[in-house]
Amino acid sequence: GAVVSQHPSRVICKSGTSVKIECRSLDFQATTMFWYRQFPKQSLMLMATSNEGSKATYEQGVEKDKFLINHASLTLSTLTVTSAHPEDSSFYICSASGTGASTDTQYFGPGTRLTVL
Amino acid sequence: AQKVTQAQTEISVVEKEDVTLDCVYETRDTTYYLFWYKQPPSGELVFLIRRNSFDEQNEISGRYSWNFQKSTSSFNFTITASQVVDSAVYFCAGEMDSSYKLIFGSGTRLLVRP
Repeated sequence: GAVVSQHPSRVICKSGTSVKIECRSLDFQATTMFWYRQFPKQSLMLMATSNEGSKATYEQGVEKDKFLINHASLTLSTLTVTSAHPEDSSFYICSASGTGASTDTQYFGPGTRLTVL
Repeated sequence: AQKVTQAQTEISVVEKEDVTLDCVYETRDTTYYLFWYKQPPSGELVFLIRRNSFDEQNEISGRYSWNFQKSTSSFNFTITASQVVDSAVYFCAGEMDSSYKLIFGSGTRLLVRP
């Protein structure tokens, strides 16, 4: 139980294009979803928190207009990296918590490796 | 300040050795949750354990055990009879306020050599 999927697992794009990453909770209702970024050999950095049906709360220093987050349903959240640049290349991981899963535990997706050329 | 510290950056052991990964946390909250996650080379974070601040009982799950001590603000993780498949980065994390944000330690990279 408490499975989270992410798609795509890997994406390569040209500078200036936008990339959308999907995060889905497969067997529980994710009332809250989180988006993290991880640089090589570093810890996870929380980018934003989103609750279903409301606007995401971004961490300090994270550009809202660059990293668009939508949490339109209890099983799906999307992160769109707009006008991507090479410095946006990173490993993006989502997590979800909510009803039907262990309370207060975040379950993580497998991550999306973004490379911007 | 709320903080999770994993002082061990990398640990290398030979298979079948026992190994303990340290985790120290700082919080002024009386209610908080502590977690351990495993991140194998594939990248996915695998949930291992969740412990709330009112439950100081140690936990054992197979070769894994956890020692939670509020007196020293520590939540250490021991792998008994380590195996090569245990090689991964292990993160300790805490949820220490009502916003449900996880504060991660910097991670400990464990290498188990055959």
